[in-house]
Amino acid sequence: QIQLVQSGPELKKPGESLKISCKASGYTFTDYAMQWVKQAPGKGLQYMGWINTQTGKPTYADDFKERFVFSLETSASTAYLQINNLKNEDTATYFCARGSTWGQGVMVTVSS
Amino acid sequence: DIQMTQSPASLSASLGETVTIECLASEDIYSNLAWYQQKPGKSPQLLIYDASTLQDGVPSRFSGSESGTQYSLEINSLQSEDAATYFCQQHHDYPLTFGSGTKLEIK
Repeated sequence: QIQLVQSGPELKKPGESLKISCKASGYTFTDYAMQWVKQAPGKGLQYMGWINTQTGKPTYADDFKERFVFSLETSASTAYLQINNLKNEDTATYFCARGSTWGQGVMVTVSS
Repeated sequence: DIQMTQSPASLSASLGETVTIECLASEDIYSNLAWYQQKPGKSPQLLIYDASTLQDGVPSRFSGSESGTQYSLEINSLQSEDAATYFCQQHHDYPLTFGSGTKLEIK
């Protein structure tokens, strides 16, 4: 069946970087775009953007045009979210999603 | 960006009752609306897409409708497992945007 399996929780300090993975299975990876969504603790869902899995072209929502990078490793059916220069407000769960299928989410904590 | 105004923020209802959650789009989204259910610590689960099409495996007590730019999610015959937060999302135009969520408590 279609699955998106994300990497494990992260604890980072402000100013550090991290890279989250989202491994897809059960379908042809390049047939569907991959979306990214942020959910801060106790808050709603915030759409971060998407990456075209055929071309690798990312599109970012306005709040995520700096410090955030979407990338792919097509041979491994894996999408990545990199966050640079982490800030406390990046503390959140990050989801990848393909259509109706979502990953389990990665909890990221940024604290000094 | 298209704004999705969701109401109410929370509601409490008894087993067997019917509840309605609404989302108002800031412009015409041509029925390109999805409803999600999210339980604590879990990822959102798709209930309805294209405003009124039930996702496979979702109980028929969930239904979606629209009137102009107002979209509604109705849950009939509330069950205890329906306690969750519900979100709408427009998928008409990028960036895709979500409503702020409705937390449903079952009395």
